[in-house]
Amino acid sequence: SQTIHQWPATLVQPVGSPLSLECTVEGTSNPNLYWYRQAAGRGLQLLFYSVGIGQISSEVPQNLSASRPQDRQFILSSKKLLLSDSGFYLCAWSTGLAGFSRAEQYFGPGTRLTVT
Amino acid sequence: DQQVKQNSPSLSVQEGRISILNCDYTNSMFDYFLWYKKYPAEGPTFLISISSIKDKNEDGRFTVFLNKSAKHLSLHIVPSQPGDSAVYFCIGTFYNTDKLIFGTGTRLQVFP
Repeated sequence: SQTIHQWPATLVQPVGSPLSLECTVEGTSNPNLYWYRQAAGRGLQLLFYSVGIGQISSEVPQNLSASRPQDRQFILSSKKLLLSDSGFYLCAWSTGLAGFSRAEQYFGPGTRLTVT
Repeated sequence: DQQVKQNSPSLSVQEGRISILNCDYTNSMFDYFLWYKKYPAEGPTFLISISSIKDKNEDGRFTVFLNKSAKHLSLHIVPSQPGDSAVYFCIGTFYNTDKLIFGTGTRLQVFP
């Protein structure tokens, strides 16, 4: 069966510090991978998605970046965190079948990031 | 610009009664809608979906209704159970994209 891991579960970082959140998927090959953020009072917002190693699409301009060094590994990074980066970050995967959005997305447990 | 709106942040319903969660959208290009459910400390999970060519989809206790002219969806849960207590997200999307546009969510509490 497929599982998705995210870590850490919670993180408190000072403004200006770097960030690295990691997501790994087990039990599937060549998944589509996604990073979402939920800020207070808002729905989940798609930040990045990837259809393959080294292929990253950015949905929202910001000081965050994403990388996919391996097929089942997706990393969210920042060189300098802003207060506005606080939120709940979720990684998700899907099988990436035709009509992408019809493929159910499976979410990890999320990381709550607080920037102080 | 919130393209998918869930104007009720919370809803409290007695066990056995009907829960009705509402959702409005502004983007007429959406052609597929989904509901995801989220328990605390877990990621959202898929619940039910509906294509824009339909006006109703039913799966057990869950039924989603779509009114395209009003740009309105609703999720009905009958009968409601305490295990249904969770946050429910309404989502709009477009064919052949990876974009899920989430609403802000409605927290449902089902009490005995």
